Amino acid sequence: LAKTTQPISMDSYEGQEVNITCSHNNIATNDYITWYQQFPSQGPRFIIQGYKTKVTNEVASLFIPADRKSSTLSLPRVSLSDTAVYYCLVGDQGGKLIFGQGTELSVKP
Amino acid sequence: ETGVTQSPTHLIKTRGQQVTLRCSSQSGHNTVSWYQQALGQGPQFIFQYYREEENGRGNFPPRFSGLQFPNYSSELNVNALELDDSALYLCASSLMGPAYNEQFFGPGTRLTVL
Repeated sequence: LAKTTQPISMDSYEGQEVNITCSHNNIATNDYITWYQQFPSQGPRFIIQGYKTKVTNEVASLFIPADRKSSTLSLPRVSLSDTAVYYCLVGDQGGKLIFGQGTELSVKP
Repeated sequence: ETGVTQSPTHLIKTRGQQVTLRCSSQSGHNTVSWYQQALGQGPQFIFQYYREEENGRGNFPPRFSGLQFPNYSSELNVNALELDDSALYLCASSLMGPAYNEQFFGPGTRLTVL
């Protein structure tokens, strides 16, 4: 069974870059690693997805090392509206989808 | 293009009762996954349906069951409700393929079991 570990919380200031790392072992060989953002009383919202190396879109970057045992979500120049809980999502070898326990990011002015 | 919708928004049941939650997937998506999210925790995978067949299941007892219909909408049924079943139930739709983890979530159904 895949297991994920994320920091429980992180604090940052507006304009800073924030990096959140998720450790994950026993993930499915062919599955992508995905990150989501969740605000209170809402469903998670897709941020970014990758398989290996680096992926970048208009809101974030995702770094995945060759062994795929971790992934790092990078949010450039965060704003107050980025205050939310961030989850990694991986698939395990048995077909289960595993969310991390979430990292609560607090962005201060 | 319509997003993922869930009904009802909120529900209160008593222990031992049965409940059915509904989800309409995003247009063009053929896969639906259901999650249980307790307060302050990450979503826990219940099961996934792909083209009306169960395609993976988490560590939930058989009293959690589901259906996917030909139009790819889905139901989650929970029998013999327990107090610990109180949670936000999330449905997510996706298109099965190499990037099937790009799931689109609905707003959830908040279930309270008294």
